[in-house]
Amino acid sequence: SYDLTQPPSVSVSPGQTANITCSADKLGETYACWYQQKAGQSPVLVIYRDNRRPSGIPERFSGSNSGNTATLTISGAQAMDEADYYCQAWDRSAFWVFGGGTKLTVL
Amino acid sequence: EVQVVESGGGLVRPGRSLRLSCTASGLTFGDYAVNWVRQAPGKGLEWVGFITNKGSGETTQYAASVKGRFTISRDDSKSIAYLQLNSLRTDDTAVYYCGPFHYYSVSMRYMDVWGKGTTVTVSS
Repeated sequence: SYDLTQPPSVSVSPGQTANITCSADKLGETYACWYQQKAGQSPVLVIYRDNRRPSGIPERFSGSNSGNTATLTISGAQAMDEADYYCQAWDRSAFWVFGGGTKLTVL
Repeated sequence: EVQVVESGGGLVRPGRSLRLSCTASGLTFGDYAVNWVRQAPGKGLEWVGFITNKGSGETTQYAASVKGRFTISRDDSKSIAYLQLNSLRTDDTAVYYCGPFHYYSVSMRYMDVWGKGTTVTVSS
């Protein structure tokens, strides 16, 4: 199986930078994307193709993917960014794979 | 604007069946593969399966946890995809989401449109 590993939780102070990681063997050789899910809501795509932002997603969201780790960076985190974040990648055997999710707390 | 609406969820006894629908609008449905994802209460996102479009052979793939019990199909004339859930178990209880995606490139395999989901509760 192909597993994407995320930290269960990340905390950040308002205005600071939050980094959420997603790790798997040779993850950098495929594409990663990230979804944000606020409490009681459906997921929203915030980063695709490693580092691209869909229209409407604030510039403070950015992504990178290299080696075994993809990273979602939220620069100048705001209270509204509190949510669960999931990475996702494609594996030729496991197909569509999600990370376990990271709960971001802004306090 | 692309929109998807999932429907067909409900309360069902273990061992019974249910069919979910995924209705899409605002896109040429036949150009897209359709993905199904679920989320058990208080848990993370879990991939269920997908069906490619006709151009890619309407191929289906399933997660190991549902393979042999769930079946995905599509009706492009109605812009609807279906998820047939058979032999349901209590651990199938979840919100089920669907979404279109482009299958032809790995770089395009993500879901940029999500509906509100439909809730399936399996309980005796």
